[in-house]
Formats: sequence, C-alpha cells, structure tokens
Amino acid sequence: IVMTQSPATLSVSPGERATLSCRASQSVANFLAWYQQKPGQPPRLLIYDASTRAPGVPDTFSGSGSGTEFTLTISSLQSEDFAVYYCQQSYDWPPGAFGPGTKVDFK
Amino acid sequence: EVQLLESGGGLVQPGGSLRLSCAASGFTFGINAMNWVRQAPGKGLEWVAVISGNLEKTHYADSVKGRFTISRDNSKNTLYLQMNSLTVEDTAVYYCAKDRGRYSESTGRGILDSWGQGTLVTVSS
Repeated sequence: IVMTQSPATLSVSPGERATLSCRASQSVANFLAWYQQKPGQPPRLLIYDASTRAPGVPDTFSGSGSGTEFTLTISSLQSEDFAVYYCQQSYDWPPGAFGPGTKVDFK
Repeated sequence: EVQLLESGGGLVQPGGSLRLSCAASGFTFGINAMNWVRQAPGKGLEWVAVISGNLEKTHYADSVKGRFTISRDNSKNTLYLQMNSLTVEDTAVYYCAKDRGRYSESTGRGILDSWGQGTLVTVSS
C-alpha cells in the first residue's frame, strides 16, 4: 500500500485553517494515523484510527476520512504548529507505511 | 511519564556492524510491542522492525531483512537493534517507538504513541 500526501508544502498564516490530505493506493479502512515532527525532534502521535486524538493533543487538530482519502485539519494555526506532518497506514501492519510528509510553513 | 532513550549510534564503515539500545521507563515494558523507525537526513520516516512484548514475534522491513535483528530484554527494560552488513543507505537517525497496543503476544497495531529522541548512525568510509 503506497501513501501519498498533498501538498508537499503548505504555506499558512498564523490563525488560518490548514487542511492536509493523505491518500492510500487501496483501502486502509480507518487504520490511519497522523504524526507531527518539528525540526530536531522525534515524531509525535496526533491522531489515530483516522479521527481519534491522542492524549494531550489540542482540539484544534482533527482527522477525518476512511478508505483511501484522509484529511488532517488544523483549525487555527499557532506558531508551534509549523512542522512536518506524516500520515501512516497500519492496515497491513506490519509493515504499514508512512506518507512522504507535508511541511506546513509560514506564508 | 514514558521515556525512551536510544544509544549506540556513531560512525561505521560500509560492511560494518553496530548495536543500538533503547532504555525504556514509565510503562510496563513487557506488555507493549516495540519498534525501530529510521529517518535518513532530510528524508521521511521508514519503519524498520517490530518485536512483540513476549519476544515471540518479529517483523522487518524488506530493506533490512537478513541484516538487522531486533531483540529486547524485558528484565532490563531495553530494546536492541543489531545492524550488520551496513551500507551508506542505512545512514539515518534511528528512533525507538512504543506501540499503543497492550497485548504482549502481538506486534501491536502500528500506532506509535511514544518515541525516543533518536540516535544517529552514519555509514561512511
């Protein structure tokens, strides 16, 4: 199963809404997670099972979708949200697969 | 608080070997599947290997199968990755990551809810 993400880079102003897309080459049901990675830091789990927020993740982050099309929405970008976001399917875990990432940077 | 601390990275020549360790604390180590995930410089994430909590099941990415061995010592709360026949393509930051699932006999669900800070492995002559 191959994962793709779009766009590769998303330029957003603080306070704006950001919508990131992830697509699977075949259905992964809802076995989809999102991770956030800031420079020099390890990834952080944000969303799993397509729409369940991990503990401690603010409700400005939301996930949706099923099958092959998924979306991560950040309702109002804060300065600490500028990072790279990876989706990951675990339908065929292991191995699962990560997407190539979307970088969210300052507009 | 879950803590994962990797060690053992460094510079190694092509064809060489290295053993990574990940010391875990803050959770019942023997229950969760544990993983290694790597990230080449400036690149994305690549899952490497997983081991079940009870040590009975392991799986590897095709890119490392036959060269890397994942293991764990539940009495020491430590995860390991033995890496042999290293190539320049293995150059990466290696992270250990805990699976969210709490079934010792499984390799988890692939939901990686805690990560270490990573250790850099550089393969170069």
